[in-house]
Amino acid sequence: NAGVMQNPRHLVRRRGQEARLRCSPVKGHSHVYWYRQLPEEGLKFMVYLQKENIIDESGMPKERFSAEFPKEGPSILRIQQVVRGDSAAYFCASSATDRGSYNEQFFGPGTRLTVL
Amino acid sequence: EDKVVQSPLSLVVHEGDTVTLNCSYEVTNFRSLLWYKQEKKAPTFLFMLTSSGIEKKSGRLSSILDKKELFSILNITATQTGDSAVYLCAVGSGGTSYGKLTFGQGTILTVHP
Repeated sequence: NAGVMQNPRHLVRRRGQEARLRCSPVKGHSHVYWYRQLPEEGLKFMVYLQKENIIDESGMPKERFSAEFPKEGPSILRIQQVVRGDSAAYFCASSATDRGSYNEQFFGPGTRLTVL
Repeated sequence: EDKVVQSPLSLVVHEGDTVTLNCSYEVTNFRSLLWYKQEKKAPTFLFMLTSSGIEKKSGRLSSILDKKELFSILNITATQTGDSAVYLCAVGSGGTSYGKLTFGQGTILTVHP
């Protein structure tokens, strides 16, 4: 019974490089959410995706950040030209298709991004 | 803007004590309130509450929601050192984005032997 999987668990990048974070939802879940947790802060919503669609990206920074959830394969959060302020833990969550379950989200272990 | 506030921000108790964690919220299109436990890894789901006044229990943990006063409490009885963690409250809102969760800043609970 695999839960949400994320990889890599730890990622180190130098300023200006690209970071790609991957998330595989719980089997049978087609809704994926990305959250960011900055040091000493709570979890902040970034984006909500269904297969091949972005439903809500109101929490995504306007530049350098993008997300996708293709028909096949994991969801990807991509950060271009990383800066030190992007250092954080990035969590992915998934939920089932039943509308009553949208908010019942199960979280992955997170990817800890460090920008040098 | 949706807002979730937890109190206290941190709490130190001894094993066997009972603790109450608070969560108040202001959101549009409220759908549900969730509690998570976060140790040094993924937040672990505890409860989801949608109806006022109905207590949810799981072992030594229980939670209740008051939709009129816009708050929830999480109780932990007979605390153990393994209960030490950050407890997160989140509110799910509806509208065009059914899935979005707005989190509070968390309560850091430390249980000493």
